[in-house]
Amino acid sequence: GQSLEQPSEVTAVEGAIVQINCTYQTSGFYGLSWYQQHDGGAPTFLSYNGLDGLEETGRFSSFLSRSDSYGYLLLQELQMKDSASYFCAVRENPTGGGNKLTFGTGTQLKVEL
Amino acid sequence: NAGVTQTPKFRVLKTGQSMTLLCAQDMNHEYMYWYRQDPGMGLRLIHYSVGEGTTAKGEVPDGYNVSRLKKQNFLLGLESAAPSQTSVYFCASSRGQGHQPQHFGDGTRLSIL
Repeated sequence: GQSLEQPSEVTAVEGAIVQINCTYQTSGFYGLSWYQQHDGGAPTFLSYNGLDGLEETGRFSSFLSRSDSYGYLLLQELQMKDSASYFCAVRENPTGGGNKLTFGTGTQLKVEL
Repeated sequence: NAGVTQTPKFRVLKTGQSMTLLCAQDMNHEYMYWYRQDPGMGLRLIHYSVGEGTTAKGEVPDGYNVSRLKKQNFLLGLESAAPSQTSVYFCASSRGQGHQPQHFGDGTRLSIL
Protein backbone atom coordinates (compact mmCIF):
# COMPACT_ATOMS: atom_id res chain seq x y z
CA GLY A 1 0.00 0.00 0.00
CA GLN A 2 0.84 3.65 -0.05
CA SER A 3 0.74 6.45 2.51
CA LEU A 4 1.62 10.09 1.99
CA GLU A 5 2.07 12.94 4.44
CA GLN A 6 1.86 16.62 3.69
CA PRO A 7 1.07 19.63 5.89
CA SER A 8 -2.62 20.43 6.13
CA GLU A 9 -2.24 24.19 5.80
CA VAL A 10 0.38 26.75 4.79
CA THR A 11 0.05 30.53 4.79
CA ALA A 12 2.28 32.94 2.89
CA VAL A 13 2.24 36.52 1.62
CA GLU A 14 1.90 37.65 -1.95
CA GLY A 15 5.23 37.75 -3.77
CA ALA A 16 6.89 35.30 -1.39
CA ILE A 17 8.18 31.77 -1.98
CA VAL A 18 6.54 28.76 -0.34
CA GLN A 19 7.55 25.10 -0.18
CA ILE A 20 5.03 22.28 0.34
CA ASN A 21 6.62 19.03 1.47
CA CYS A 22 5.45 15.49 0.84
CA THR A 23 6.84 12.31 2.35
CA TYR A 24 5.65 8.90 1.28
CA GLN A 25 5.83 5.24 2.19
CA THR A 26 5.16 2.90 -0.65
CA SER A 27 5.46 -0.70 -1.72
CA GLY A 28 6.01 0.30 -5.35
CA PHE A 29 7.05 3.76 -6.45
CA TYR A 30 7.26 5.06 -10.00
CA GLY A 31 6.98 8.79 -9.57
CA LEU A 32 5.49 11.74 -7.69
CA SER A 33 2.90 14.11 -9.14
CA TRP A 34 1.46 17.38 -7.92
CA TYR A 35 -2.08 18.62 -8.52
CA GLN A 36 -3.75 21.93 -7.73
CA GLN A 37 -7.39 22.26 -6.77
CA HIS A 38 -9.25 25.52 -6.20
CA ASP A 39 -12.28 25.47 -3.90
CA GLY A 40 -15.19 23.86 -5.70
CA GLY A 41 -13.07 23.07 -8.72
CA ALA A 42 -11.43 20.10 -10.37
CA PRO A 43 -7.87 18.99 -9.66
CA THR A 44 -5.42 20.08 -12.35
CA PHE A 45 -2.00 18.62 -13.04
CA LEU A 46 1.03 20.74 -12.14
CA SER A 47 4.18 18.66 -12.22
CA TYR A 48 5.70 15.17 -12.24
CA ASN A 49 9.03 13.77 -11.03
CA GLY A 50 10.00 10.28 -12.14
CA LEU A 51 13.68 10.74 -11.32
CA ASP A 52 15.57 12.52 -8.56
CA GLY A 53 16.06 16.22 -8.99
CA LEU A 54 14.24 19.40 -9.80
CA GLU A 55 11.61 19.98 -12.48
CA GLU A 56 10.74 23.59 -13.29
CA THR A 57 7.58 24.86 -14.92
CA GLY A 58 7.31 28.63 -14.80
CA ARG A 59 6.79 29.81 -11.24
CA PHE A 60 6.35 26.23 -10.02
CA SER A 61 9.12 23.72 -9.37
CA SER A 62 8.98 20.20 -7.97
CA PHE A 63 11.75 18.16 -6.39
CA LEU A 64 12.14 14.47 -5.68
CA SER A 65 14.58 12.45 -3.61
CA ARG A 66 13.79 8.76 -3.99
CA SER A 67 16.35 7.72 -1.38
CA ASP A 68 14.63 9.94 1.20
CA SER A 69 11.07 9.13 0.01
CA TYR A 70 10.54 12.88 -0.08
CA GLY A 71 9.46 15.53 -2.49
CA TYR A 72 8.35 19.12 -2.47
CA LEU A 73 6.51 21.67 -4.55
CA LEU A 74 8.01 25.15 -4.67
CA LEU A 75 5.88 28.12 -5.63
CA GLN A 76 7.65 31.38 -6.38
CA GLU A 77 6.34 34.94 -6.74
CA LEU A 78 3.12 33.96 -5.04
CA GLN A 79 -0.09 35.44 -6.36
CA MET A 80 -3.52 35.58 -4.78
CA LYS A 81 -4.78 33.15 -7.41
CA ASP A 82 -2.35 30.52 -6.03
CA SER A 83 -4.62 30.14 -2.99
CA ALA A 84 -5.78 26.55 -3.43
CA SER A 85 -5.22 23.02 -2.20
CA TYR A 86 -2.16 21.17 -3.43
CA PHE A 87 -1.99 17.38 -3.54
CA CYS A 88 1.01 15.15 -3.94
CA ALA A 89 0.28 11.78 -5.52
CA VAL A 90 2.38 8.65 -5.88
CA ARG A 91 2.31 6.82 -9.19
CA GLU A 92 2.09 3.14 -8.47
CA ASN A 93 3.81 0.22 -10.19
CA PRO A 94 2.22 0.27 -13.64
CA THR A 95 2.29 -3.53 -14.03
CA GLY A 96 -1.16 -4.43 -15.27
CA GLY A 97 -1.67 -0.92 -16.49
CA GLY A 98 -3.66 1.97 -15.12
CA ASN A 99 -1.20 4.71 -14.22
CA LYS A 100 -2.89 4.62 -10.83
CA LEU A 101 -2.28 7.42 -8.37
CA THR A 102 -2.55 7.48 -4.59
CA PHE A 103 -3.19 11.01 -3.37
CA GLY A 104 -2.13 12.71 -0.17
CA THR A 105 -4.71 14.53 1.92
CA GLY A 106 -3.74 17.91 0.50
CA THR A 107 -2.20 21.15 1.69
CA GLN A 108 -4.38 24.23 1.74
CA LEU A 109 -2.32 27.26 0.72
CA LYS A 110 -3.56 30.68 1.74
CA VAL A 111 -1.90 33.66 0.10
CA GLU A 112 -2.33 36.92 1.96
CA LEU A 113 -1.66 40.51 0.97
CA ASN B 1 -12.95 21.06 -26.68
CA ALA B 2 -14.92 19.83 -23.65
CA GLY B 3 -12.29 17.51 -22.11
CA VAL B 4 -13.94 15.45 -19.35
CA THR B 5 -17.65 16.00 -18.76
CA GLN B 6 -19.53 14.64 -15.77
CA THR B 7 -23.30 14.32 -15.50
CA PRO B 8 -25.10 15.28 -13.31
CA LYS B 9 -23.34 18.04 -11.38
CA PHE B 10 -25.53 17.70 -8.28
CA ARG B 11 -27.88 15.03 -6.99
CA VAL B 12 -29.74 14.23 -3.80
CA LEU B 13 -30.78 10.63 -3.18
CA LYS B 14 -32.61 8.77 -0.47
CA THR B 15 -30.98 5.80 1.22
CA GLY B 16 -31.51 2.66 -0.83
CA GLN B 17 -32.02 4.41 -4.15
CA SER B 18 -29.81 3.62 -7.11
CA MET B 19 -28.25 5.91 -9.66
CA THR B 20 -25.61 6.13 -12.37
CA LEU B 21 -23.02 8.85 -12.80
CA LEU B 22 -21.83 9.43 -16.35
CA CYS B 23 -18.35 10.47 -17.42
CA ALA B 24 -17.52 11.30 -21.02
CA GLN B 25 -14.15 12.30 -22.48
CA ASP B 26 -13.38 13.55 -25.97
CA MET B 27 -9.57 13.23 -25.86
CA ASN B 28 -9.42 9.60 -27.06
CA HIS B 29 -7.79 8.59 -23.77
CA GLU B 30 -7.26 4.92 -23.01
CA TYR B 31 -7.47 5.12 -19.22
CA MET B 32 -10.35 6.39 -17.13
CA TYR B 33 -10.80 6.63 -13.36
CA TRP B 34 -13.46 7.32 -10.74
CA TYR B 35 -12.49 8.97 -7.45
CA ARG B 36 -14.37 10.17 -4.43
CA GLN B 37 -13.26 13.15 -2.39
CA ASP B 38 -14.27 13.63 1.22
CA PRO B 39 -13.23 16.51 3.50
CA GLY B 40 -9.68 16.06 4.78
CA MET B 41 -9.17 12.78 2.93
CA GLY B 42 -7.96 13.75 -0.51
CA LEU B 43 -8.97 11.73 -3.55
CA ARG B 44 -9.52 8.00 -3.25
CA LEU B 45 -9.70 5.72 -6.28
CA ILE B 46 -12.94 3.74 -6.58
CA HIS B 47 -12.55 1.92 -9.91
CA TYR B 48 -10.57 2.43 -13.06
CA SER B 49 -10.40 1.19 -16.65
CA VAL B 50 -7.42 0.63 -18.92
CA GLY B 51 -9.50 0.33 -22.07
CA GLU B 52 -12.90 -0.28 -23.58
CA GLY B 53 -14.56 -3.29 -22.01
CA THR B 54 -12.16 -3.49 -19.04
CA THR B 55 -12.59 -2.39 -15.43
CA ALA B 56 -10.62 -2.91 -12.23
CA LYS B 57 -11.05 -2.16 -8.54
CA GLY B 58 -9.33 0.71 -6.83
CA GLU B 59 -8.87 1.51 -3.17
CA VAL B 60 -12.55 1.85 -2.16
CA PRO B 61 -14.71 -0.18 -4.59
CA ASP B 62 -17.37 -1.54 -2.22
CA GLY B 63 -20.91 -0.39 -3.00
CA TYR B 64 -20.02 0.77 -6.52
CA ASN B 65 -20.03 -0.81 -9.97
CA VAL B 66 -18.63 0.51 -13.22
CA SER B 67 -18.87 -0.14 -16.93
CA ARG B 68 -16.86 0.99 -19.95
CA LEU B 69 -18.83 -0.15 -22.98
CA LYS B 70 -17.47 2.67 -25.15
CA LYS B 71 -13.96 4.11 -25.01
CA GLN B 72 -15.21 7.63 -24.38
CA ASN B 73 -17.63 6.80 -21.56
CA PHE B 74 -17.14 5.47 -18.04
CA LEU B 75 -20.21 4.90 -15.87
CA LEU B 76 -20.27 4.69 -12.08
CA GLY B 77 -23.26 3.00 -10.48
CA LEU B 78 -24.51 3.02 -6.93
CA GLU B 79 -26.72 -0.02 -6.46
CA SER B 80 -28.22 0.89 -3.08
CA ALA B 81 -27.10 4.30 -1.90
CA ALA B 82 -25.96 4.76 1.71
CA PRO B 83 -25.29 7.99 3.64
CA SER B 84 -21.58 7.01 3.77
CA GLN B 85 -21.51 7.50 0.00
CA THR B 86 -22.25 11.21 0.34
CA SER B 87 -19.23 12.74 -1.36
CA VAL B 88 -17.91 14.62 -4.35
CA TYR B 89 -17.17 12.23 -7.20
CA PHE B 90 -14.52 13.02 -9.79
CA CYS B 91 -13.91 11.28 -13.06
CA ALA B 92 -10.52 11.51 -14.77
CA SER B 93 -8.89 10.23 -17.94
CA SER B 94 -5.35 9.86 -19.21
CA ARG B 95 -3.34 8.46 -22.06
CA GLY B 96 -1.98 4.96 -21.59
CA GLN B 97 1.79 4.93 -22.09
CA GLY B 98 4.28 5.88 -19.36
CA HIS B 99 3.45 8.69 -17.00
CA GLN B 100 0.54 10.71 -18.24
CA PRO B 101 -1.26 13.49 -16.35
CA GLN B 102 -4.82 12.78 -15.39
CA HIS B 103 -7.48 15.20 -16.66
CA PHE B 104 -10.39 15.67 -14.29
CA GLY B 105 -14.03 16.54 -14.77
CA ASP B 106 -15.73 19.19 -12.65
CA GLY B 107 -17.19 16.67 -10.23
CA THR B 108 -20.60 15.45 -9.12
CA ARG B 109 -21.79 16.46 -5.67
CA LEU B 110 -23.89 13.62 -4.32
CA SER B 111 -25.87 13.77 -1.08
CA ILE B 112 -27.62 10.73 0.33
CA LEU B 113 -30.22 11.31 2.99
